Amino acid sequence: GAGVSQSPRYKVAKRGQDVALRCDPISGHVSLFWYQQALGQGPEFLTYFQNEAQLDKSGLPSDRFFAERPEGSVSTLKIQRTQQEDSAVYLCASSLGTREQYFGPGTRLTVT
Amino acid sequence: GNSVTQMEGPVTLSEEAFLTINCTYTATGYPSLFWYVQYPGEGLQLLLKATKADDKGSNKGFEATYRKETTSFHLEKGSVQVSDSAVYFCALSSTDSWGKLQFGAGTQVVVTP
Repeated sequence: GAGVSQSPRYKVAKRGQDVALRCDPISGHVSLFWYQQALGQGPEFLTYFQNEAQLDKSGLPSDRFFAERPEGSVSTLKIQRTQQEDSAVYLCASSLGTREQYFGPGTRLTVT
Repeated sequence: GNSVTQMEGPVTLSEEAFLTINCTYTATGYPSLFWYVQYPGEGLQLLLKATKADDKGSNKGFEATYRKETTSFHLEKGSVQVSDSAVYFCALSSTDSWGKLQFGAGTQVVVTP
């Protein structure tokens, strides 16, 4: 079946612009995670949803970052007033409960 | 807090050589341990996992054993191929964290013919 998909795959934003990154999880997966991966580093946890409930947002680096999953399926990660340090690959993963996470291909965000 | 430390790369090997990538962790309780692989231009894929002490995870010729006494989960493969060239990430998931993953920095492996 279809895996996790993310769009856009690449995004270039000027500093100060708002961006929205989309994640389509595997159908039926209740858990959804967002991670941020800086160049040459491992992914860092941002936030976690169980269905539509955001149960952990401890990894969001600032209040410019906001995530939602209103119907318990598609999720959007929004970054307001982007800064250069926001440049990274944003990964989405989904899973059945706390089992194996399946990752999407990521969105590479470049802030100029 | 929890953390994962893995050996720095790049690791450059000839085809059919033996590969070891060291990984150690710090965590409370009894975490689950994972190795993920990222091939060039692709997303992260789970390579293998172990959920309790002394478990051995294996897949595609790779193996790793969960060693609680040394807090380690080293990845090994007896004979690498050019197609094993990738970045390998060690990760843990602790029992009280919804399954969220804590990753190491990654180790790039380059296998030459």
